[in-house]
Amino acid sequence: DARVTQTPRHKVTEMGQEVTMRCQPILGHNTVFWYRQTMMQGLELLAYFRNRAPLDDSGMPKDRFSAEMPDATLATLKIQPSEPRDSAVYFCASGDPGQAFHQDEQFFGPGTRLTVL
Amino acid sequence: DQQVKQNSPSLSVQEGRISILNCDYTNSMFDYFLWYKKYPAEGPTFLISISSIKDKNEDGRFTVFLNKSAKHLSLHIVPSQPGDSAVYFCAATTSGTYKYIFGTGTRLKVLA
Repeated sequence: DARVTQTPRHKVTEMGQEVTMRCQPILGHNTVFWYRQTMMQGLELLAYFRNRAPLDDSGMPKDRFSAEMPDATLATLKIQPSEPRDSAVYFCASGDPGQAFHQDEQFFGPGTRLTVL
Repeated sequence: DQQVKQNSPSLSVQEGRISILNCDYTNSMFDYFLWYKKYPAEGPTFLISISSIKDKNEDGRFTVFLNKSAKHLSLHIVPSQPGDSAVYFCAATTSGTYKYIFGTGTRLKVLA
């Protein structure tokens, strides 16, 4: 049963600390997305990669957020230093537009709930 | 600037009745629209989609209607079931970009 996995599922940290969230996309998917869910903004796209290369990170606060794909099985989202306003649920999604049964379908992981105190 | 809007944060419907969830968009470049469903502590999952060349797409109890002139789409669930209680997100994209813009979601509660 192929699915996107994310770790950790929950993270509580103090302001100023570094936070790293990890995502394992579905094997064979060539596109990976990072989203943030907040009450006010809904699901915001932070960044996405195709074939491990960053395509768009315009949704990401550049000064403190960074996203990478060290290899095809791992995507990371890092916040340094973290702030209370970063508290949200962060979702990773993956897909392959060439293979999708439903056009443009993205497959989401269960999310990482981040709380910054 | 919210390009995709879901103006109803929540909706309650009796079991067996119709649920209608609405979504408005502003960007005329969007030509493909999707609805995702999200249960608590889970990621969103694909529900149904529609291309701008159509005005209706149906899949079982779920139908999506698209009104391009009004830049409006709606999701109809008939009949509604308690298991449909979830948050529903509308998303829009321009074909080929694979980049979604999501709305803020509507929490649907189906009352037994």
